[in-house]
Amino acid sequence: EAQVTQNPRYLITVTGKKLTVTCSQNMNHEYMSWYRQDPGLGLRQIYYSMNVEVTDKGDVPEGYKVSRKEKRNFPLILESPSPNQTSLYFCASSLRGLGNTEAFFGQGTRLTVV
Amino acid sequence: DQQVKQNSPSLSVQEGRISILNCDYTNSMFDYFLWYKKYPAEGPTFLISISSIKDKNEDGRFTVFLNKSAKHLSLHIVPSQPGDSAVYFCAAIFTGGGNKLTFGTGTQLKVEL
Repeated sequence: EAQVTQNPRYLITVTGKKLTVTCSQNMNHEYMSWYRQDPGLGLRQIYYSMNVEVTDKGDVPEGYKVSRKEKRNFPLILESPSPNQTSLYFCASSLRGLGNTEAFFGQGTRLTVV
Repeated sequence: DQQVKQNSPSLSVQEGRISILNCDYTNSMFDYFLWYKKYPAEGPTFLISISSIKDKNEDGRFTVFLNKSAKHLSLHIVPSQPGDSAVYFCAAIFTGGGNKLTFGTGTQLKVEL
């Protein structure tokens, strides 16, 4: 089954404790990206990757890091989480860019930073 | 600066009637527009898209209309069904600018029996 898998689905952590949210896709997609969803703001792109070893900033990259060492994986790293990073996070992948190809989203990771 | 706007946070429609969801954008560089549907506790799923060179795209019960001069697009669902109840996000992309997807804030559609 074609899918994007995020882990964990739920996470509560403390300020400053490094964490990683994993994202994996099994569709051999080139393009992957991370979004956060906040009330009244919709989904905002954090980082994206056009292919292996190619990553770039989205609209809200501050406080986040990503890596793309393999095509299937695109982890999101919070080196020193803060309460304003409490949000619902989605990973997405598509065969190419998102213009005219369907993007597949993971089920989301709800992160709470206290 | 919200480049893609969905001014109606919610919409309620009776089953069988037409649902019309609206979206406005400000960036004239956008050349592809997409609609995504999201159920609670799930990720968004792609619904339909339209290129800026077209003014209409249809897929079954879903039709998207684009008015470039007004920088406005709309999603029509006919007939509406209870299973269509979800949050609908409008999104836009400038394919020459790194394929960054810019989302609106979403409209909660409720289709009532």
